[in-house]
Amino acid sequence: EVRLVQSGGGLVQPGRSLRLSCAASGFNFNRSWMTWVRQAPGKGLECVANIKYDGSEEFYVDSVRGRFIVSRDNARNSVFLQMDSLRGDDTGVYYCARGYLSMDLWGQGTTVTVSS
Amino acid sequence: YDLIQPPSVSVSPGQTARITCSGDALPVKYAYWYQQKSGLAPVLVMYEDKKRASGIPERFSGSSSGTVATLIISGAQVEDEADYYCFSTDGTGYLYLFGTGTKVTVL
Repeated sequence: EVRLVQSGGGLVQPGRSLRLSCAASGFNFNRSWMTWVRQAPGKGLECVANIKYDGSEEFYVDSVRGRFIVSRDNARNSVFLQMDSLRGDDTGVYYCARGYLSMDLWGQGTTVTVSS
Repeated sequence: YDLIQPPSVSVSPGQTARITCSGDALPVKYAYWYQQKSGLAPVLVMYEDKKRASGIPERFSGSSSGTVATLIISGAQVEDEADYYCFSTDGTGYLYLFGTGTKVTVL
């Protein structure tokens, strides 16, 4: 089955870290760009980061650059989002998606809540 | 750089809904459209301005002219009620962003 399964969300205090994972199956992962998109409560979608199929290129939105790192392990068909120095405005639902413009497959989403 | 959409569009069933997306780089960059129903992950509806994604009904179409891309729902159905987001890049191609989003109501 072609799918993306996410894990790793939860409640975390401001300033702490969290790592999100996204496991792919059913398609050629190592030929696919991957993107992380988030949605704050009641707000619109925001493209947080993406990574090229071989890991040689990355993009970060300004608000997370220097705090978040996107990475991938093609041997494990997985993409990760390491989130450090978390802030309240990082709270939201995080989605992983296949592609970087035409994002045609999405994970189920995982909730990150940054609060003391 | 911003992609600007109207906050809401409301139509009756069977009418045509038009959702616009304005951005200075759209004359040289493609627009992509995503549908998000309440509580669910987004779904790709349209890519490269006017190509319908897999499984999307023919009543969905797209166009782009100058700085405005448009998603058109011809004969909108109740099940088309959702938030719709355009997506594109800036002129450099290194900034990826969603539009401000449009809530489509069909009633």
